[in-house]
Amino acid sequence: EAGVTQFPSHSVIEKGQTVTLRCDPISGHDNLYWYRRVMGKEIKFLLHFVKESKQDESGMPNNRFLAERTGGTYSTLKVQPAELEDSGVYFCASSPGQAEETQYFGPGTRLLVL
Amino acid sequence: ILNVEQSPQSLHVQEGDSTNFTCSFPSSNFYALHWYRWETAKSPEALFVMTLNGDEKKKGRISATLNTKEGYSYLYIKGSQPEDSATYLCASLSGTYKYIFGTGTRLKVLA
Repeated sequence: EAGVTQFPSHSVIEKGQTVTLRCDPISGHDNLYWYRRVMGKEIKFLLHFVKESKQDESGMPNNRFLAERTGGTYSTLKVQPAELEDSGVYFCASSPGQAEETQYFGPGTRLLVL
Repeated sequence: ILNVEQSPQSLHVQEGDSTNFTCSFPSSNFYALHWYRWETAKSPEALFVMTLNGDEKKKGRISATLNTKEGYSYLYIKGSQPEDSATYLCASLSGTYKYIFGTGTRLKVLA
């Protein structure tokens, strides 16, 4: 069974540009989560989808971040326009059902904004 | 406490030593505690999901205990091996259904 995949693995962009990150969860997993880790800090929750609906987006830093999960399959996270402080590793995770179940993480996208 | 705190931040042990580290989390509205093992440039790998006070789980040489009343969990590694070198993360799930991660304990096992 394929795990959670993320694309791209790395992205280097200039301040003001737009970047779109993609996450493909494990097939059949209704729950999809986005997290971000800024260097040296803890992994922080961004948002949680249940199927195509946003269950909780309270961790999204500001309105430059837009997440979608059309059709309840893969998800995208767009940053527009990117700022220097957006640099970090963006992780996606999925789980099958209940919120307390094991989450399976993707390898992350390393974003560097110059 | 309101955050998830892990100690120590980093740890060096000799091969064969046993070691343990701590995760402290908010005890109110507790649902679950997750432990992950994370090697740089890889995905965090789930080790344990713990929900009940007094839970004790084991996976090979690694085990974990949970005290939900006082809000802490211990992770133990028996007979550490170089391949155990990684960052060990814990994450607490509370009534808001939002995971709060600690900053991790970086373990280096010296051969």
